[in-house]
Amino acid sequence: AQSVTQPDIHITVSEGASLELRCNYSYGATPYLFWYVQSPGQGLQLLLKYFSGDTLVQGIKGFEAEFKRSQSSFNLRKPSVHWSDAAEYFCAVGSQIRAGNMLTFGGGTRLMVKP
Amino acid sequence: GAGVSQSPSNKVTEKGKDVELRCDPISGHTALYWYRQSLGQGLEFLIYFQGNSAPDKSGLPSDRFSAERTGGSVSTLTIQRTQQEDSAVYLCASSFLDRAYGYTFGSGTRLTVV
Repeated sequence: AQSVTQPDIHITVSEGASLELRCNYSYGATPYLFWYVQSPGQGLQLLLKYFSGDTLVQGIKGFEAEFKRSQSSFNLRKPSVHWSDAAEYFCAVGSQIRAGNMLTFGGGTRLMVKP
Repeated sequence: GAGVSQSPSNKVTEKGKDVELRCDPISGHTALYWYRQSLGQGLEFLIYFQGNSAPDKSGLPSDRFSAERTGGSVSTLTIQRTQQEDSAVYLCASSFLDRAYGYTFGSGTRLTVV
């Protein structure tokens, strides 16, 4: 069975600083990987996704993530954090069950941004 | 519609009452999913629909929970005899039936059982 681990429950960074959120997955085949962001009181918004090809993927809001098969990781990065990036971030791995499209989510990382 | 619509956005109910939560997915999305997000917790899978059928009901926490989907579109999640531990945000998502596509989520229904 697939699983996703986000080791950091909370992260605090200063505005303008760089950010890296960690994600490790366990999946028996080539994974489809996603990052979502959830602002307070909102649903989840897709930031970026990886299927195949270039292991560095670009997303919205200046985010990028790098797929590293050898490390089973898909870490999210941003070179310069803005106060509006404060939110909860979820990593997810996609699998197929009975031709469905199941995403398994990590527990989330809550990002706080200091002025 | 342009996005996934959930209603109501907030629901306060008394313990023991039944509630219905509605999800209107993106037109053309054949798959629909319900997740639950309790305070400070991650996303807990409840059920998914492929068209009108539910191949996977494994996540429903008890027989008080049920869901249906009609016309390959709108879905209703029903919780009977609500308990305080049912208090959570219930999120609906829809997608194409291909794991290459992520989900599009609704804004959720915040359920509070008092």
